[in-house]
Amino acid sequence: SYELTQPPSVSVSPGQTARITCSGDTLPKKYANWYQQKSGQAPVLVIYEDTKRPSGIPERFFGSSSGSMATLSIGGARVEDEADYHCYSTDSSGNPLFGGGTKLTVL
Amino acid sequence: QVQLVQSGAEVKKPGASVKISCKASGYTFTSFPIYWVRQAPGQRLEWMGWINPGNDNTKYSQKFQGRVTITRDTSASTAYMELSSLRSEDTAVYYCARHKYETRALEDWGQGTLVTVSS
Repeated sequence: SYELTQPPSVSVSPGQTARITCSGDTLPKKYANWYQQKSGQAPVLVIYEDTKRPSGIPERFFGSSSGSMATLSIGGARVEDEADYHCYSTDSSGNPLFGGGTKLTVL
Repeated sequence: QVQLVQSGAEVKKPGASVKISCKASGYTFTSFPIYWVRQAPGQRLEWMGWINPGNDNTKYSQKFQGRVTITRDTSASTAYMELSSLRSEDTAVYYCARHKYETRALEDWGQGTLVTVSS
């Protein structure tokens, strides 16, 4: 079965660039979306179609994709960016897939 | 603005069923699919199924096929997810989310409903 794989955790200092990766066999053909989920809250879409930002999402959130890996970059990370980040795509049948989530720590 | 408001927390015994509602407002309910996603403690988000409120078409994850039923009431702009034969592993937060064709993403989410399965 298809899977999306993320690192369990990423840690950066404030002001540094945080990079969170998502790998999967379907990513060369399917878009990746990224969700931010703060503790006790519902997920919030921060990147869609690999690289696009919804309105209201700061420009420091940047998405990219190459081959079987999608990457979410957060430039100038802030303490308020601490959250779990989930990648999302679909399998070959169009069924939704989520990555395992990455806990971002900014300290 | 778009809002999805879910019903409150539930506590169920093993073997029972649970039905969660998701009331939509701020957009045309029949124009966008509603997905159901759950998150068990320490686990990844997991898609359960979706419904197209416009034509009542549904699709379910193979994992939940036979145990999950998603319905809608267009007059109430509300979608429902019923999960039967509950077991302790079904303890999770359940979310509904609106899928937008333009972004191919789940753009708007309900606040989540905690379902606890315990004897």
